[in-house]
Amino acid sequence: GAGVSQSPSNKVTEKGKDVELRCDPISGHTALYWYRQRLGQGLEFLIYFQGNSAPDKSGLPSDRFSAERTGESVSTLTIQRTQQEDSAVYLCASSPGPLAGELFFGEGSRLTVL
Amino acid sequence: DQQVKQNSPSLSVQEGRISILNCDYTNSMFDYFLWYKKYPAEGPTFLISISSIKDKNEDGRFTVFLNKSAKHLSLHIVPSQPGDSAVYFCAAGRVDTDKLIFGTGTRLQVFP
Repeated sequence: GAGVSQSPSNKVTEKGKDVELRCDPISGHTALYWYRQRLGQGLEFLIYFQGNSAPDKSGLPSDRFSAERTGESVSTLTIQRTQQEDSAVYLCASSPGPLAGELFFGEGSRLTVL
Repeated sequence: DQQVKQNSPSLSVQEGRISILNCDYTNSMFDYFLWYKKYPAEGPTFLISISSIKDKNEDGRFTVFLNKSAKHLSLHIVPSQPGDSAVYFCAAGRVDTDKLIFGTGTRLQVFP
């Protein structure tokens, strides 16, 4: 596809379960970001991948959160032992490379933890 | 620590009038700024940007103004149209880190 693709679009899970969210960036984009938006909040930076450099994990809220990216392709955000406060829309974005400025966002994965 | 702030959660403007959305930042190291627009159930889309070497950038009905001394930027939409109704996020970044920090958003409603 032409845009950033995220799956699942909606996920409802029980507290304590693990979830995986997937992001397929625009082909050729070397930079990939994960943000989340909790209800009534802004976009909160989670993690940033750029090529083969070490990712910037400074936004991950706890060690229950982790993300991987294989080369310059798909990324997976994993949340272990989910808590109710993890409920949010998780947004993935990609950009053509460092210093590109503009990010292209997917439609997000809405996570609801019961 | 909210480095990028949008103090107005909502704004209502009549069609044809000017919409002014404001954004303040605290980190003087930010050197580029962007505005994104978000419709419900969609990801944010890029609208307009400005680098710190400029104080104004214009694109059609959209103009972004940057006041570095005040650490303030604003987005002007004129004339406003009902299709402009959305949530607008400002974002700031540093060229050397490539990480964007977003504000909390302002919901704009343009009524006929």
